[in-house]
Amino acid sequence: EAGVAQSPRYKIIEKRQSVAFWCNPISGHATLYWYQQILGQGPKLLIQFQNNGVVDDSQLPKDRFSAERLKGVDSTLKIQPAKLEDSAVYLCASSLGLAARSYNEQFFGPGTRLTVL
Amino acid sequence: AQTVTQSQPEMSVQEAETVTLSCTYDTSESNYYLFWYKQPPSRQMILVIRQEAYKQQNATENRFSVNFQKAAKSFSLKISDSQLGDTAMYFCAFGGAQKLVFGQGTRLTINP
Repeated sequence: EAGVAQSPRYKIIEKRQSVAFWCNPISGHATLYWYQQILGQGPKLLIQFQNNGVVDDSQLPKDRFSAERLKGVDSTLKIQPAKLEDSAVYLCASSLGLAARSYNEQFFGPGTRLTVL
Repeated sequence: AQTVTQSQPEMSVQEAETVTLSCTYDTSESNYYLFWYKQPPSRQMILVIRQEAYKQQNATENRFSVNFQKAAKSFSLKISDSQLGDTAMYFCAFGGAQKLVFGQGTRLTINP
């Protein structure tokens, strides 16, 4: 079974430029997550989708970050304009779906390392 | 809001030794899950072990086991017979209502 795919693996941009990341979840997984992992810290959830609807985007800086999941499969995360503090690894994860009384394991992709100069 | 604290930024042991990583958390929820994830230099987050809060028995997965103290809100990971491939960042995570909250991580180095 193929895992979660992300691209690109690395990206270097100047501040105030825009950048986009792509994620392809495991086939059949309804829930998709984007995390931001700053160096030396644990991942922080930015946004969670259930199919193509947003479940939680409370920690997404909406003035510069946007995300979409068209057709409930692939997802893109965009930053416009980028700031120096956006330098981080952006991780995508997917799980089978929301379950009321159990937990669906999240499977993570390899991440995209973003450097903002 | 839930918080997860890992008080050991770095640890180092010799191969074949046993090592214990500490984690404490804070929550008002009664039903939740706790996890330990491993993140090697490749950055891929790999689930090591999972504990359901309603289960009193501590979870084990081969060389990995946990000591879950619900009243103390403590969730430590024990790695027995450590191997060079265990070298990685280890993150403790709290899972409630489908949202994962991670600790800051412990960098574990296994020396030959």
